[in-house]
Amino acid sequence: AQSVTQPDIHITVSEGASLELRCNYSYGATPYLFWYVQSPGQGLQLLLKYFSGDTLVQGIKGFEAEFKRSQSSFNLRKPSVHWSDAAEYFCAVGEDTNAGKSTFGDGTTLTVKP
Amino acid sequence: DTAVSQTPKYLVTQMGNDKSIKCEQNLGHDTMYWYKQDSKKFLKIMFSYNNKELIINETVPNRFSPKSPDKAHLNLHINSLELGDSAVYFCASSGDGGRYGYTFGSGTRLTVV
Repeated sequence: AQSVTQPDIHITVSEGASLELRCNYSYGATPYLFWYVQSPGQGLQLLLKYFSGDTLVQGIKGFEAEFKRSQSSFNLRKPSVHWSDAAEYFCAVGEDTNAGKSTFGDGTTLTVKP
Repeated sequence: DTAVSQTPKYLVTQMGNDKSIKCEQNLGHDTMYWYKQDSKKFLKIMFSYNNKELIINETVPNRFSPKSPDKAHLNLHINSLELGDSAVYFCASSGDGGRYGYTFGSGTRLTVV
């Protein structure tokens, strides 16, 4: 069965600092990988996705992620964090069958210090 | 234009009652999902429909019954509500078998008292 691990429950960074959120997955085949962001009281918004091709993918809001098959990782990065980036971040792995079922990690809460 | 809309946004009800949550998407997607987010923000899939056909039915009490009258709508009916059903329920949709990710609704916060 597929699974996702987000090792960091909570991360605090200063505004303007760089950010990296970690994600490790377990899946038997080539995975579909996603990062979502959830602001308080809101639904989840897709930041970026990977399913083939270039292993460095660009997303919205200045985020990028790198797929490393050898490490089973898909870490999310941003060079300079803004206060509005404070939110919950979820990594997910999707199946290519089974109606595209996605399994989500437990999330990482990002706090941004002024 | 709201892509995935859920109603109601908030639902407070007593134990033992029956309630429904409605979801509609205007993206032309073939697949729709229900996810439950608990108080620790863990997300777990409940059901998925593809073109009105039930595809995924996870280990969910049979008090929960989804219904998809057409591929743009997926409703969730819950019988005999229990305290443990309190959570945020998210509807989502996807095209191309989910490989492009999901579009989520804004959620329905269900509180059972």
